[in-house]
Amino acid sequence: EDQVTQSPEALRLQEGESSSLNCSYTVSGLRGLFWYRQDPGKGPEFLFTLYSAGEEKEKERLKATLTKKESFLHITAPKPEDSATYLCAVSERGSSNTGKLIFGQGTTLQVKP
Amino acid sequence: KAGVTQTPRYLIKTRGQQVTLSCSPISGHRSVSWYQQTPGQGLQFLFEYFSETQRNKGNFPGRFSGRQFSNSRSEMNVSTLELGDSALYLCASSFGTRGTAYNEQFFGPGTRLTVL
Repeated sequence: EDQVTQSPEALRLQEGESSSLNCSYTVSGLRGLFWYRQDPGKGPEFLFTLYSAGEEKEKERLKATLTKKESFLHITAPKPEDSATYLCAVSERGSSNTGKLIFGQGTTLQVKP
Repeated sequence: KAGVTQTPRYLIKTRGQQVTLSCSPISGHRSVSWYQQTPGQGLQFLFEYFSETQRNKGNFPGRFSGRQFSNSRSEMNVSTLELGDSALYLCASSFGTRGTAYNEQFFGPGTRLTVL
């Protein structure tokens, strides 16, 4: 069964303490892997798309990387405003999978000042 | 440009009633996907519409249905509401056609449905 697993479930960091979030996936053919940020009571906010192993994307303090089995979201010198739930999702190849993202359970990040 | 909008933002219904939720996609996007988000199950795919046709459907009962209009706006309907239908319902829009960015989905703020 297709699956997306994120770890850890929760992460507490001090401001400036860098860390990484993990997303492992098992799908028969990856079309794309997506990272979102979700604040309480809001819809997910799009961050990155990764399509092939070895690809990297950066945005401010965030950097996403992709291998054949997993993706990492690296957070460098985080600030309190980076506190949120980070969601990983995959899209699988095949005409029967259009428009469907399979989400992990998310990692809730808290950054303390 | 304007993002995805959803109305209403909050709804309270009782068991057995039905409800209709609305979603307006980003201008130029022709695909609308719907998701249910609950604390226990996370985000789960309901269905996707493209050019007024349902292209894909998740594992939800037939009480959950949707449609899309010629201007790409979409509605989702839930009939005979159950307590377990309480959730945040999210819609997301994308171009929906071939191309590297065609599956990038942008989400609306969601509709919080509470069933009493």
